[in-house]
Amino acid sequence: AAGVIQSPRHLIKEKRETATLKCYPIPRHDTVYWYQQGPGQDPQFLISFYEKMQSDKGSIPDRFSAQQFSDYHSELNMSSLELGDSALYFCASSSLAGPSYEQYFGPGTRLTVT
Amino acid sequence: DQQVKQNSPSLSVQEGRISILNCDYTNSMFDYFLWYKKYPAEGPTFLISISSIKDKNEDGRFTVFLNKSAKHLSLHIVPSQPGDSAVYFCAASPIQGAQKLVFGQGTRLTINP
Repeated sequence: AAGVIQSPRHLIKEKRETATLKCYPIPRHDTVYWYQQGPGQDPQFLISFYEKMQSDKGSIPDRFSAQQFSDYHSELNMSSLELGDSALYFCASSSLAGPSYEQYFGPGTRLTVT
Repeated sequence: DQQVKQNSPSLSVQEGRISILNCDYTNSMFDYFLWYKKYPAEGPTFLISISSIKDKNEDGRFTVFLNKSAKHLSLHIVPSQPGDSAVYFCAASPIQGAQKLVFGQGTRLTINP
């Protein structure tokens, strides 16, 4: 079965640079979520989109922005990167037509800021 | 403020025995609870969930129990297998819909042969 696809899998950036992470949800899933997992921490919710509209917002810095496109893929844009942004970034998707509380996660993008 | 807590960072169990992972929550608004399994360098994999209107849900070797009055849930794995060795996250969601998941800190389960 098709899963959530994230690209790139690994990304190395320098401080103050920008990064763009991409997420392709499971086909026919209409909702996308972004989570950040720091070293030794639990995943923390950043932001979510339903039908291309922002549906919920968590502890996402103002330097970050995200959107969901007409094909339901989503991009997380991160600017003025800081060392503390180094983390695993997970995208998850779900369908409100199904048990929407079941979110399916991608493999993650490991961002390292040097 | 950790709304979902997994107080055991690690657990070691003999192969074939029962593994019991525990989770406590503080927010009464949580309606759905999920367990995810995570291997290194992979995303969390959905295992099993339970709605707050139930007290038990079973799927093969995995059973989740919910005690709403105690705000406690547990995941039972029986019999435990070496492939079950992973980090297990408990997560909670307020209501059905496009809602964020709130995760616990995770418990690293090791199954010894």
